[in-house]
Amino acid sequence: DAGVIQSPRHEVTEMGQEVTLRCKPISGHDYLFWYRQTMMRGLELLIYFNNNVPIDDSGMPEDRFSAKMPNASFSTLKIQPSEPRDSAVYFCASSSSSGGTYNEQFFGPGTRLTVL
Amino acid sequence: AQSVTQLGSHVSVSEGALVLLRCNYSSSVPPYLFWYVQYPNQGLQLLLKYTTGATLVKGINGFEAEFKKSETSFHLTKPSAHMSDAAEYFCAVRDTGRRALTFGSGTRLQVQP
Repeated sequence: DAGVIQSPRHEVTEMGQEVTLRCKPISGHDYLFWYRQTMMRGLELLIYFNNNVPIDDSGMPEDRFSAKMPNASFSTLKIQPSEPRDSAVYFCASSSSSGGTYNEQFFGPGTRLTVL
Repeated sequence: AQSVTQLGSHVSVSEGALVLLRCNYSSSVPPYLFWYVQYPNQGLQLLLKYTTGATLVKGINGFEAEFKKSETSFHLTKPSAHMSDAAEYFCAVRDTGRRALTFGSGTRLQVQP
C-alpha cells in the first residue's frame, strides 16, 4: 500500500492567497483526519470525517478554513484568505474502523505551508 | 476532554543507555493510548498502542510502554538507546467515544555517541 498521500509537500504563498491542500487516504479506510502542527500549539486536530461525512470540525480555526471529502479517496483542506499565522505543517491521517489495525491512525508526510 | 502531559520537552541520553520518556493522561476511564515517533521532515509513525488487555505493550524498534491506571501513566522505555532513535516522540490519547487523537507536546530525544 502506498500509505497516505499528501500534496503538495511544500507550499509557499503570499498573505491573502487561497491555499488548497490535498490528501488521499489509504484505500479502504473510512476515517480521515486533518491535523496541524506548530511550534506554539503542537499537534492539534482540525477536522475529521467518517465515510466522507464531517464528524467533528471543532478544531477548525475560523471561517477561512474549510475541508471537504467528495469521495472515499480524496479530501481537501482550503484556506482562503491565507494569513502568516497559518504557517504550519498540515498532516492528513486515515484509519479503519475494522480489521487488525483498528484504532491506528496512519499519517501522511505532511504539507509544510509558509504564508509570507 | 482528555489531556496528555509529557514531562520534559528534551531528553538526552548516551548511546546504550536506558531511554525513559514520560506520559501522563487525564481520565478516570482508561482511554486508548499511543506513542508515535516523528523523524525530521516526516510524518508520524506508530510505535505502540494500548487498547485493552496486557498493560505492558511492546512496540517496534525495541520500545515498550507500561499502562499504569493507578498513576494514569503510559511511559515509554527502551533498554539501550541507539543513535537512530534520535527523533521526537509523541504520546497520544483517544477517548472511547471519539476517534480523534489528543497529542502531548512531544519530547525530543537526543542520543549522544
